[in-house]
Amino acid sequence: DADVTQTPRNRITKTGKRIMLECSQTKGHDRMYWYRQDPGLGLRLIYYSFDVKDINKGEISDGYSVSRQAQAKFSLSLESAIPNQTALYFCATSEGAGNQPQHFGDGTRLSIL
Amino acid sequence: GEDVEQSLFLSVREGDSSVINCTYTDSSSTYLYWYKQEPGAGLQLLTYIFSNMDMKQDQRLTVLLNKKDKHLSLRIADTQTGDSAIYFCAETTTSGTYKYIFGTGTRLKVLA
Repeated sequence: DADVTQTPRNRITKTGKRIMLECSQTKGHDRMYWYRQDPGLGLRLIYYSFDVKDINKGEISDGYSVSRQAQAKFSLSLESAIPNQTALYFCATSEGAGNQPQHFGDGTRLSIL
Repeated sequence: GEDVEQSLFLSVREGDSSVINCTYTDSSSTYLYWYKQEPGAGLQLLTYIFSNMDMKQDQRLTVLLNKKDKHLSLRIADTQTGDSAIYFCAETTTSGTYKYIFGTGTRLKVLA
């Protein structure tokens, strides 16, 4: 979905490094989300934000932090990357109501050696 | 806790119908969704159904919801090779706090 842009698309880095994944959207949605995808596990929610001043932990937030710099921008940081954080990361957005569908970026493939 | 389960793989022949199944545990689900993920891409919303509906049809796609058994299915008629992808079901719930839960995904392979 070109309306939700993730950068970088691919990243290889070493254990212990700090990594930032960025997400920007042009959909005008208030809600933004970060997920990780692992084979056989589906998508697991890391953090979500309902507006610029709202940040909430998801089911697997340990080892991650986020920043909601503006309505359109939501970044995910790995303070000290470890190999089991190797995964495909997705950013998503949705409108204000809780039951609205989510719109996804194309993902960032992150490998930690 | 809430859970959404899917079988991991499905293989069908081109032109046949595909049926992808999903079961969920939260009886307070409001909307149930089907997403499609093609290689190298994010999830794309295919269709969704409100929990007070039994069926929804959209061109080649038919969604069936059995609330009693908490079972959701996606039928793709006349399956094409371009339908090969991973299909995720997801639910939102009204159980007090925000919940948007994805299944593990079903990888559909269409054989020519």
